[in-house]
Amino acid sequence: QKEVEQNSGPLSVPEGAIASLNCTYSDRGSQSFFWYRQYSGKSPELIMFIYSNGDKEDGRFTAQLNKASQYVSLLIRDSQPSDSATYLCAAGGSNYQLIWGAGTKLIIKP
Amino acid sequence: DAGVIQSPRHEVTEMGQEVTLRCKPISGHNSLFWYRQTMMRGLELLIYFNNNVPIDDSGMPEDRFSAKMPNASFSTLKIQPSEPRDSAVYFCASSLGENTGELFFGEGSRLTVL
Repeated sequence: QKEVEQNSGPLSVPEGAIASLNCTYSDRGSQSFFWYRQYSGKSPELIMFIYSNGDKEDGRFTAQLNKASQYVSLLIRDSQPSDSATYLCAAGGSNYQLIWGAGTKLIIKP
Repeated sequence: DAGVIQSPRHEVTEMGQEVTLRCKPISGHNSLFWYRQTMMRGLELLIYFNNNVPIDDSGMPEDRFSAKMPNASFSTLKIQPSEPRDSAVYFCASSLGENTGELFFGEGSRLTVL
């Protein structure tokens, strides 16, 4: 069974610090990886995607992919209270199917 | 663009009643997904349409659930008869292209079946 695993949290991080969110996946055929942010009571919103090994940076966000270890992470620098949300990791293969993690709840403490 | 539009935002109904959820995808997007989200099971794909054609309905829980996409700008998800275990948030999402995980979600329809 294809799975994406995330620590459910909550992960509590002080404001201004780096928040590190992690995700592992079981299917070695996964080719693309996505991070969605979901505020309480709202819908998921795509914030980052990564296809290649290494780092990809976008503003305060950095996605990291290590295919050998089947590991994806999201780093949020200079964390703000507005970053408090649940972060969903998803893995995609060669078609439309995404395998979703259960999400990690992140709390940024002022 | 207005984004993916779903209605109703909230629906409270009694067991046995018919429920119809509606979705308007982003113009030009040819892939449409219906998801269900609960605390226990997370996000579950119910059905996937590509170019208005149902491609994968393996996630539809049972015959009580049905979905249609009569044209590129409208889709419905129907539950008949509804049961309390159907209570969840139902999301519609659309994407440009078939093999992309870059989904745009609607605001969701929160369904409560009493």
